[in-house]
Amino acid sequence: SQTIHQWPATLVQPVGSPLSLECTVEGTSNPNLYWYRQAAGRGLQLLFYSVGIGQISSEVPQNLSASRPQDRQFILSSKKLLLSDSGFYLCAWSVQRPGEQYFGPGTRLTVT
Amino acid sequence: AQRVTQPEKLLSVFKGAPVELKCNYSYSGSPELFWYVQYSRQRLQLLLRHISRESIKGFTADLNKGETSFHLKKPFAQEEDSAMYYCALKGGANNLFFGTGTRLTVIP
Repeated sequence: SQTIHQWPATLVQPVGSPLSLECTVEGTSNPNLYWYRQAAGRGLQLLFYSVGIGQISSEVPQNLSASRPQDRQFILSSKKLLLSDSGFYLCAWSVQRPGEQYFGPGTRLTVT
Repeated sequence: AQRVTQPEKLLSVFKGAPVELKCNYSYSGSPELFWYVQYSRQRLQLLLRHISRESIKGFTADLNKGETSFHLKKPFAQEEDSAMYYCALKGGANNLFFGTGTRLTVIP
């Protein structure tokens, strides 16, 4: 069966430090992959999505970037964190059924 | 531009009472809409999709193109329905645009 992992589960980082969040999917091939941020009062905001290795689309301009070095690995990065980057980051994957996405457990990031 | 609006951040109902979680959307094409749910300490998961016209856990949602709405309804709320509910609109490449969510609390 398919599973999706995210780590770390929680992270506290100072302003200006780098960031790397990782997401991996098991049990499926060539999934679409997504990064969302869940901020208080703002719901889920799509940050990046990828339809294949090395293919990244950004939905909003920001301090973050994403990479997909392998078929089932999706990484969210930043060179210098801002206070406004704090939030709950969710990774998700989908295959063929439109709109049906499967979410990971999330990473809670606090920038201090 | 695509937009999903959930006007209620919080909704409380008594057990056994009907519940309706509101969702309105803005989309120029033919919309595909979904409801996702997140129970306490669980992952966000798909509840139902409008194209399936299904009833899941007693919940139904009808797409009303005239009112651009996709409200989620259940005739008799149960305590286990307490959760965060998100309405979502499908965009291109299977992207989803989510509303801000409604936290439903069912009072015993």
